[in-house]
Amino acid sequence: NAGVTQTPKFQVLKTGQSMTLQCAQDMNHEYMSWYRQDPGMGLRLIHYSVGAGITDQGEVPNGYNVSRSTTEDFPLRLLSAAPSQTSVYFCASRSLSGINEQFFGPGTRLTVL
Amino acid sequence: AQKITQTQPGMFVQEKEAVTLDCTYDTSDPSYGLFWYKQPSSGEMIFLIYQGSYDQQNATEGRYSLNFQKARKSANLVISASQLGDSAMYFCAMREGPGGGSQGNLIFGKGTKLSVKP
Repeated sequence: NAGVTQTPKFQVLKTGQSMTLQCAQDMNHEYMSWYRQDPGMGLRLIHYSVGAGITDQGEVPNGYNVSRSTTEDFPLRLLSAAPSQTSVYFCASRSLSGINEQFFGPGTRLTVL
Repeated sequence: AQKITQTQPGMFVQEKEAVTLDCTYDTSDPSYGLFWYKQPSSGEMIFLIYQGSYDQQNATEGRYSLNFQKARKSANLVISASQLGDSAMYFCAMREGPGGGSQGNLIFGKGTKLSVKP
């Protein structure tokens, strides 16, 4: 059981470049989400999904796209990276049955120059 | 308005002493869940403890307990007998909605950095 995996661990981009952060879980969780963590700001929700084919915006969705074609995968796309998107990105998943903890991936540290 | 407020950006505690990390929350939903997570310097998010809004007793997990004061909308984390390994960022979080927050999104506070002194 790998839990929640994220790739890459580190990434440096130039302004205007695009990239996809990968997230996968092997726990058959319906719910998946992306957060960004900035110093002094806690974790802020970017996008989330309650099942394959269903996505919705969180608190800070601008500049990011997501899709959920399978239960396991929930990639986050940066279409045109900006320095303001320099952050640590966490993917998380949980079951929608009961009061279950949310499992987090190890994070991706992204720097946009 | 902030949903989760952690007023202590940083705290120090002596090893083996108890420490309380403050958390207040704001919701009009009668059903919600409160969570605490630990983030050591290595960066991973570690779930510590959960309290449902309808739970009659305060939650406990080993050295962690949650001091839940519903009328004051307070959910403080108490760590007993602090250890050097407890040095980390601690985040309070809340999920609103039916079933103690089983359907909602997790909203985080800004965190408290705890440093344990030997």
